Amino acid sequence: KNEVEQSPQNLTAQEGEFITINCSYSVGISALHWLQQHPGGGIVSLFMLSSGKKKHGRLIATINIQEKHSSLHITASHPRDSAVYICAVPSRERGGPFGKGTKLTVNP
Amino acid sequence: NAGVTQTPKFQVLKTGQSMTLQCAQDMNHEYMSWYRQDPGMGLRLIHYSVGAGITDQGEVPNGYNVSRSTTEDFPLRLLSAAPSQTSVYFCASSYGGRDHTEAFFGQGTRLTVV
Repeated sequence: KNEVEQSPQNLTAQEGEFITINCSYSVGISALHWLQQHPGGGIVSLFMLSSGKKKHGRLIATINIQEKHSSLHITASHPRDSAVYICAVPSRERGGPFGKGTKLTVNP
Repeated sequence: NAGVTQTPKFQVLKTGQSMTLQCAQDMNHEYMSWYRQDPGMGLRLIHYSVGAGITDQGEVPNGYNVSRSTTEDFPLRLLSAAPSQTSVYFCASSYGGRDHTEAFFGQGTRLTVV
């Protein structure tokens, strides 16, 4: 079983829809990261969180430490949100583990 | 402030050739790392460094060498390229490499070994 599982693997939405991407992990963590990989390949960090909820613009990330689960929500989705979203449980010695990513396509 | 600069963006090598992927950061980050990304798999750590003169192996180090002579630079060397090293490579840096520090990634290098 992978240490970090994301669902769904692929997600297609219409512009304006509310999006939810899920991440479950089996390792102990002190923080969880959400990353965004653009269609061109570049990766940027969206959130680091260890409890509760964080919000940045239309993006919201939540984490439930007891249930070992995190969600990334996108409100009022837009075609520019199309990307691969990656959940990661970072550690110095392993870098990750990383989820395999959720490919989001938002159609106009 | 350029962040993490990774070169080249694309490279094709013949089996057995060697090459160096360059990575530089201007944020004075202690922790730098190299990952490979393969279809259907998450990012996997190749090597990492916690400071100048200090490097260590990650999850998939075989076939790769690194050095860290300065805080800014962390090159990745492929000694004798093999088709199994066809992948997309990312360099990343962060302050301290701890869980709560944001990681900054380079733009990636798409390497094909034929």
